[in-house]
Amino acid sequence: EIVLTQSPGTLSLSPGERATLSCRASQSVSSSYLAWYQQKPGQAPRLLIYGASSRATGIPDRFSGSGSGTDFTLTISRLEPEDFAVYYCQQYGSSPRWTFGQGTKVEIK
Amino acid sequence: EVQLVESGGGLVQPGGSLRLSCAASGFTFSSYWMSWVRQAPGKGLEWVANIKQDGSEKYYVDSVKGRFTISRDNAKNSLYLQMNSLRAEDTAVYYCARESDFWSGYTKKYYYGMDVWGQGTTVTVSS
Repeated sequence: EIVLTQSPGTLSLSPGERATLSCRASQSVSSSYLAWYQQKPGQAPRLLIYGASSRATGIPDRFSGSGSGTDFTLTISRLEPEDFAVYYCQQYGSSPRWTFGQGTKVEIK
Repeated sequence: EVQLVESGGGLVQPGGSLRLSCAASGFTFSSYWMSWVRQAPGKGLEWVANIKQDGSEKYYVDSVKGRFTISRDNAKNSLYLQMNSLRAEDTAVYYCARESDFWSGYTKKYYYGMDVWGQGTTVTVSS
């Protein structure tokens, strides 16, 4: 079973700053199967990035994903007020079929 | 509008049963794998189960195997989760989600993600 570990647990930043979120896998993951989601309080998750680096429909270009193998990164170039939320990485595998990281909370400093 | 709407959550005693439903609209339901994902209070996301387009393949997280059953009715555009022998640790918001594959003409590869989610239904297991 592949375990995804996200860091940091909480990121305290101000609007306009750059956010860098890490997702590390316990084994190599195909970038085809690595996705990122945003979740705001009381809301369902929203797909941001699929295939490690492709933005989903309607996602602003301040969101970008990168990485390969065991290390993946979600970058928010300039934080907008609506970007303060929890972010999850996810991978598609064999067993279990889908695995999520534990999440990184981006909070207002 | 592409939409998923869950229902069927509620309060149930340990050992009890509950059946969740997810109504799909705005897309060809029968063309997609579908998943259930849950989130315990104050915790992260946990994938629970998924089912192939025609229902011929089903997969579960180990913690629910033998207790939960995922099913679908493509004629009714509906996804279901039958939950038996419920435990306190099954308490969560349960989301249904559409699994999509995205084709890149540039890389000639498919990529995967859950691109449509319902609003969730809350299941509380308590005496």
